[in-house]
This record gives sequence, structure tokens and C-alpha cells, in this order.
Amino acid sequence: SQQGEEDPQALSIQEGENATMNCSYKTSINNLQWYRQNSGRGLVHLILIRSNEREKHSGRLRVTLDTSKKSSSLLITASRAADTASYFCATRPDNDYKLSFGAGTTVTVRA
Amino acid sequence: NAGVTQTPKFQVLKTGQSMTLQCAQDMNHNSMYWYRQDPGMGLRLIYYSASEGTTDKGEVPNGYNVSRLNKREFSLRLESAAPSQTSVYFCASSEPLDRQTQYFGPGTRLLVL
Repeated sequence: SQQGEEDPQALSIQEGENATMNCSYKTSINNLQWYRQNSGRGLVHLILIRSNEREKHSGRLRVTLDTSKKSSSLLITASRAADTASYFCATRPDNDYKLSFGAGTTVTVRA
Repeated sequence: NAGVTQTPKFQVLKTGQSMTLQCAQDMNHNSMYWYRQDPGMGLRLIYYSASEGTTDKGEVPNGYNVSRLNKREFSLRLESAAPSQTSVYFCASSEPLDRQTQYFGPGTRLLVL
């Protein structure tokens, strides 16, 4: 069963704006990862945050993790048309090494 | 360095036909996975192989079989295709155990009529 749930399901923003999406999960985790999927392509790993970390940055991406609320957020700053994609969170539970993916947030960046 | 490759890219089957989806990785990863992705849903794990010589069922294994041919290759077989198996199939491989960052192939779109 899917561990993570993303919110919102879809997001439409203007180029240059920030995009924020959230992920909630149910069980304790070892780490949480975010992936991007462009239309018709495979998933690409963006960033990993461990359970003992609260915030992580990679370029225009900022990820936060709140283990007490079992939630994470992904912020994309200064969005570009190329950021148009679906974004998935994936959790690795404490007691397993397999990842569990959410249903994703579809982001559309308008020019 | 091709990463994860999958063949075919697209396939149309009739109900009851069989086929094998091929996957290969050149990153020397130990673990490999097969997922299916349906509209509006995330990826669901069909089967996985933690290391060469081992395979285990994932969340949705019914109707599928797998073979870990060697460290590079992991195939998925549909013995008797059903319309419910219409989906996009992704193969992935992963880094060492403590990270589990996964690298995905481009996918195989399967239509079962």
C-alpha cells in the first residue's frame, strides 16, 4: 500500500513563482526522497533527506522534514517551464529497504 | 554509461498472450525492481531482487513472474496477459542499501486488448 500521499494533486503556477508541495506518510522512516517525472519518461531522483535531518537544499530545491507530523515539503523556487513535471515523494521505512511512492503532484509552470 | 535500459518501449498484446519485459543496468547495482504505474496512482512494486540470485514479491505480484538473469539483468514475464495489466512498467536499480536512491528506466507502455 502507498505510504506517502502528496498534496495538492495538481498545481499550476506562473514562471518565476515558487511551487510548494507536501507529502504525508504513516510509519516511521529511515529517509524520504523526492523524484521528478517528466511526461512519458522515467522517474529521476531529486533529493534525499534522512530522518535525523530537518531541511536540505539542492539548487532551487528545498526539502523539509517534520518527523513528529510525519510530513515533508518540497519547495521549488523561481520556477521555470522546464520544471513542469510530476513530483513524487518516496519513503523508506525503518524496518525495510524498499521504497513506497505516493501518487504524485502534477506541476504546470505557465510561461 | 546507459544507466537503466528497458525493452520494448511499447507493446500491444491480446488477452491471453505472453511476453517478457527486459531490463538491464550498467551501474553495478545489487538491487533491481519492477513497478507498474497507472493513471492517478504512484508506482506500485510488482517484484524486486535484493541481489543476484534472489527475488521477492512486492505489492502487486499476481499475474507476473521475474527472473534475475545475472547482476545486470532483471526480466518481468506476463504469462497470460489480461486487460488489467495495461499499464506503464518501470524497471529500477538502486545504490547501496543504506541510501536506496533508485535509478529508473524509461518505461514500457503495455496495452492489453
